[in-house]
Amino acid sequence: DIQMTQSPSSLSASVGDRVTITCRASQSISGYLNWYQQKPGKAPTLLISTTSRLQTGVPSRFGGSRSGTDFTLTISSLQPEDFATYYCQQSYSIPTFGQGTRLEIK
Amino acid sequence: QVQLQESGPGLVKPSETLSLTCAVSGGSISGYYWSWIRQPPGKGLEWIGYVYFGGSINYNPSLKSRVTISVDRSTNQFSLKLSSVTAADTAVYFCARHRLGGDMFFDPWGQGTLVTVSS
Repeated sequence: DIQMTQSPSSLSASVGDRVTITCRASQSISGYLNWYQQKPGKAPTLLISTTSRLQTGVPSRFGGSRSGTDFTLTISSLQPEDFATYYCQQSYSIPTFGQGTRLEIK
Repeated sequence: QVQLQESGPGLVKPSETLSLTCAVSGGSISGYYWSWIRQPPGKGLEWIGYVYFGGSINYNPSLKSRVTISVDRSTNQFSLKLSSVTAADTAVYFCARHRLGGDMFFDPWGQGTLVTVSS
């Protein structure tokens, strides 16, 4: 299996901050990396597919990028509704998820 | 707009078989792949397996010996059976739609259903 390592596991930030979450793959996955947001008691929702393709309805403050096997989710200016847990998922082979990054209000 | 809804018993005894159904509404089950994903309380996500509307299947090797996923096109539903359950199988179980290959991202998801394994 391809292992996905997310960092940090938790993060405290304030409204208006720029936040970066990283996901590292244990081997090459090309650009097949997807990002999800999950709020407590809810199902995950797809934010970004294939490294940087923003899904319909997702605010433009969310962005994704790649450098080799390192992938980054950036939120340019945190809004109150962005405090949630974020997961990456590779779709290069049998799908696996990162362990999640919990984004909390400072 | 496609919506998914999981249903099934919320409590299963150890060594028995967990059975869940996902009902697809607002669209046809045809043309897509349909997966089960689970999340133990307070933990991360684990893909269980998928079924194609035509019937082909693929399972996570870590669960393959215990999993059966099937599709019923006549009722626009697909199902999960997980045998010989233990407490480690306690989780919220989600169903989700996807395509294959690099486009295997999950959207939309059902709301999830908590299954507890306990005597």
